[in-house]
Amino acid sequence: KQEVTQIPAALSVPEGENLVLNCSFTDSAIYNLQWFRQDPGKGLTSLLLIQSSQREQTSGRLNASLDKSSGRSTLYIAASQPGDSATYLCAVPSAGNMLTFGGGTRLMVKP
Amino acid sequence: NAGVTQTPKFQVLKTGQSMTLQCAQDMNHNSMYWYRQDPGMGLRLIYYSASEGTTDKGEVPNGYNVSRLNKREFSLRLESAAPSQTSVYFCASSMRQRANYGYTFGSGTRLTVV
Repeated sequence: KQEVTQIPAALSVPEGENLVLNCSFTDSAIYNLQWFRQDPGKGLTSLLLIQSSQREQTSGRLNASLDKSSGRSTLYIAASQPGDSATYLCAVPSAGNMLTFGGGTRLMVKP
Repeated sequence: NAGVTQTPKFQVLKTGQSMTLQCAQDMNHNSMYWYRQDPGMGLRLIYYSASEGTTDKGEVPNGYNVSRLNKREFSLRLESAAPSQTSVYFCASSMRQRANYGYTFGSGTRLTVV
């Protein structure tokens, strides 16, 4: 059974810092990996989708990398802003047609 | 805006009451899903529909039924609500299951069963 773990569970940083969120998964036979953002009381917003054949994807200040062989992905956020405060979730499709989610990293960026 | 639309956004039910959560997508996606999100449990799949005309159980299907009304719409029904079904429910869609396509989520329905 696929298991997805995210470290750290919570992170508080001052504005302007570059930061890295980590995601690990146990079964490397994945089609893709998706990073989401969830604001309190809101739905999930897709940030980046990395295909299994890719090593990284970039969108603005966000860069996600994927290393299938080691079962790891990282989300790099450059020059963090208070508006980046949210919970970040990574997810992979797995057996049984489930999208398996990590527990999330709750990020707070202080002004 | 294109995406996944869920109704209602909030609902309070009494134990034993029934209700249907509605979901519609306008992206011509083949697959649709219902998840619930609970503190400490993360997101768990309730039911999914790989394509129009098919539905299958996910990780936590007990107490729920679904209907794939057409390609656009996928509803979730609680026949006799229980306090354990208090949760936030999310509908999602994707072009195909597990293939090289991402998932799009709706904004959620916050359900409280008293």
